[in-house]
Amino acid sequence: EDQVTQSPEALRLQEGESSSLNCSYTVSGLRGLFWYRQDPGKGPEFLFTLYSAGEEKEKERLKATLTKKESFLHITAPKPEDSATYLCAVQEAETGGSYIPTFGRGTSLIVHP
Amino acid sequence: GEEVAQTPKHLVRGEGQKAKLYCAPIKGHSYVFWYQQVLKNEFKFLISFQNENVFDETGMPKERFSAKCLPNSPCSLEIQATKLEDSAVYFCASSLQGDGYTFGSGTRLTVV
Repeated sequence: EDQVTQSPEALRLQEGESSSLNCSYTVSGLRGLFWYRQDPGKGPEFLFTLYSAGEEKEKERLKATLTKKESFLHITAPKPEDSATYLCAVQEAETGGSYIPTFGRGTSLIVHP
Repeated sequence: GEEVAQTPKHLVRGEGQKAKLYCAPIKGHSYVFWYQQVLKNEFKFLISFQNENVFDETGMPKERFSAKCLPNSPCSLEIQATKLEDSAVYFCASSLQGDGYTFGSGTRLTVV
């Protein structure tokens, strides 16, 4: 069973059509949850870190929220340049101290003009 | 510099040949991580370093994969006797304190 599950797998939006991406996790204790953006042929680009339930962070049209079981990445009035794969990664609190993040499989977002 | 530099960008090897990938982490970052990305965006953790010491190597197929991070040199990931299933993009990331990773652009390894 995957520890980190992202949905939907793919999402197509019209420019200006707001939506949310979901990342659900099943680790017993959360040290941190990360959101990344990955463009084709490039490495993941760091967006946000969330540490505790109720925390929210914003950057331009993106807002990330966290509950005890999932995180949402809200995209408000998206533009075509927001098209990318959005990855979620989770750091478990007790893993012998190595804190290696486990990645979800991502949501591929396409925003049409 | 403020970016993680990975070389080469592309690498093609015949099955059974050796492949060596390099990663220069951001100056001052103590942690280095290697991930393998295969189809469907699956990121598989391979190994991490804290400075030159192996921090976690639970993801490494030890019989053919090895890695080093030596002082004043780029980190390296070496695959002996490559197999077709080693074809993937290998990402290196560095971190100051073990979170907020910065990734390089990756090395695409194709084994033919």
